[in-house]
Amino acid sequence: NAGVTQTPKFQVLKTGQSMTLQCAQDMNHEYMSWYRQDPGMGLRLIHYSVGAGITDQGEVPNGYNVSRSTTEDFPLRLLSAAPSQTSVYFCASSRDDRATSYNSPLHFGNGTRLTVT
Amino acid sequence: GQNIDQPTEMTATEGAIVQINCTYQTSGFNGLFWYQQHAGEAPTFLSYNVLDGLEEKGRFSSFLSRSKGYSYLLLKELQMKDSASYLCAVRDYPPNSGAGSYQLTFGKGTKLSVIP
Repeated sequence: NAGVTQTPKFQVLKTGQSMTLQCAQDMNHEYMSWYRQDPGMGLRLIHYSVGAGITDQGEVPNGYNVSRSTTEDFPLRLLSAAPSQTSVYFCASSRDDRATSYNSPLHFGNGTRLTVT
Repeated sequence: GQNIDQPTEMTATEGAIVQINCTYQTSGFNGLFWYQQHAGEAPTFLSYNVLDGLEEKGRFSSFLSRSKGYSYLLLKELQMKDSASYLCAVRDYPPNSGAGSYQLTFGKGTKLSVIP
C-alpha cells in the first residue's frame, strides 16, 4: 500500500516555465488537497477536491490550476512559474466522512521541493 | 475566514510534560486535528477532536472546548524524538464553496525543542 505518492521530489524551474506536480493515492480516498509550506507561514491550502470532477479553491489558489478526472490522481499545474512559488508542496488525501462524522485524518505525501529562479 | 493561533516555539525538558495551546475562530466547525511534523518530513496525524473533552492516546492527549474556540495538545514523559513542529488544524465548511466541500486549515505550527 503506497499511500500518497508525489513526483518529483525536487524540481528547479526558471521564471515563466510551466510544470505539473503529480499526486496519486491508492486508498480510494474521495478528498484530495494541495498545500504549500513556507517558513513562518505554515501550511496553506491551494486547491482541494471532494471527488472526481469537483474542485474548489483554497486560501492561495492564484497561479495554480488543478483537475480531478479520476479518484486516484490530483495534479497541480503551474502555468507560468514565479519566484514567489518557491516552496515545499504537499499533496494530502482522506476519506470523505461527512455522512458519519467519523475521524478521517489527512494522509500526506512526502512533498515536492520546488525552486523557481 | 479562519484564524488559528498557536505559540511559535516552546522548549521543554526530557521526561517532563508540555501543553501546546491552539485557539481558533471559524464558522461551520467540523473537527480539530493535531499533526506532528519532523524537520524535512511530511506531517503525520496525532489526534482528532470533534466533541468537547479530552481524547487520550498513549503519551499524547488532546482537549477541545468548542464554546471557547480552544484546544490543547498534552505531551507526557517527553522524549528527545518528540522534538518537532506540532500543527493545529481546523476543518470547516466554507460558506461560498461548492456543494458539500470542506477544507482543513492549519495554524503556523509550534516548534517544540526537547532538551536533556
